[in-house]
Order: sequence, then structure tokens, then C-alpha cells
Amino acid sequence: KAGVTQTPRYLIKTRGQQVTLSCSPISGHRSVSWYQQTPGQGLQFLFEYFSETQRNKGNFPGRFSGRQFSNSRSEMNVSTLELGDSALYLCASSFSGGFSYNEQFFGPGTRLTVL
Amino acid sequence: KNEVEQSPQNLTAQEGEFITINCSYSVGISALHWLQQHPGGGIVSLFMLSSGKKKHGRLIATINIQEKHSSLHITASHPRDSAVYICAVGKNRDDKIIFGKGTRLHILP
Repeated sequence: KAGVTQTPRYLIKTRGQQVTLSCSPISGHRSVSWYQQTPGQGLQFLFEYFSETQRNKGNFPGRFSGRQFSNSRSEMNVSTLELGDSALYLCASSFSGGFSYNEQFFGPGTRLTVL
Repeated sequence: KNEVEQSPQNLTAQEGEFITINCSYSVGISALHWLQQHPGGGIVSLFMLSSGKKKHGRLIATINIQEKHSSLHITASHPRDSAVYICAVGKNRDDKIIFGKGTRLHILP
């Protein structure tokens, strides 16, 4: 079975631009979660999608949004990029439950640099 | 004060030593995860716990719900165990996910 894939792996943007990251879960997995990792804040939970619906959300501003498609693939979007958005963005998939109910399978991440 | 605290922050040990990494939390939880992150960023889920003890190969994870504490043990440590180990909890009150800052482990050959 193929693992979780994320595209692109690396991305450079400038302040004020917007960016869209993509995550393809393991086949059969219906839950996709997104996380941000920075040296200063560590790992932080962004949001979780299940069956095309946002099921859980962390404490991030509205510039961070996401969606999930009927094939369980998910995208996250960051609008009006700020320097502080530079981070490793990770997605994880699980069969059905969220973080508290199922093992999470992580993708390799997308490293975003905002200049 | 962080809701999830890990100790130690950094740990260097010789190959073969028994390793213990601790995680304390101050909130009610639904589950606790131990994650391993190698240089380059990839994260692997090691354990998901809600009670008791789990073992996988040389790795053992325990949790004490009453004391709000979990430990990750590595027996017969090996240089390939060098990584950052992260504790994360799912809060049962609002289902939010909180991560510890991680423990950087370096095993010397």
C-alpha cells in the first residue's frame, strides 16, 4: 500500500502571496489531519477533515483553510502569507477516527519558505 | 506552563543503554501518542495509548492516567534510534491536540 503523499515537497513564496498544499491519504483512509511544525513553536494541529467535513480545528487564523474531496484527498490553503508561516507542513491520515481514536500515518511534509 | 511537558529535552547515551523519555500532561486526555521524527522531517507513529502498557520490539510505552504521566523506554539502544521523540495528547474536553516540545536522542556507537 502506498503511504501518505504530499505535494509539493518544497515551496518558496513571497509575503502576501497565497499557497495551496496537497495531501493524498493512504488508500481507504478517510480522515486527514494537517499540522504545522516550526523551530519555535514545534508541532501544532491545524485541522482535521473526515468525509469532506472539517471535524476539528486548532487555533490558527482564518488565513489557514482546508478542504477534502470525495476521494479523501485534501488540500490546505494559506492566504496572504507572512514570514512566520515558513514551516514544515505535515499531513497525516487515519482510517476513520481522529487523533484520539486511530494511529496516524504521516506524510513526508511540505517545506514552505516565505521570503 | 505548557499542557504537555517532556523530559529530558536532550539525551546522549552509549549504544546498548536503556533509555527513558518522560511525558507529563496537565489536562484530561482521550489518548496519548508517541511519535518519532528523524532528520529530514518524516514522522512515524510509535504508539497510541489510553491506558496501561504497549510493547513493540525494543520499545515500550506506559501510561498512568491517574498521575497524568507516560514514559517511552528503549531497550538495547542503537545509533539508528537517534531521533526526536514527541509526545502528543488528544484532550477529552474539546478534542484539541497538544504536542510536547520533543526529546532529542543521540545514541553513540
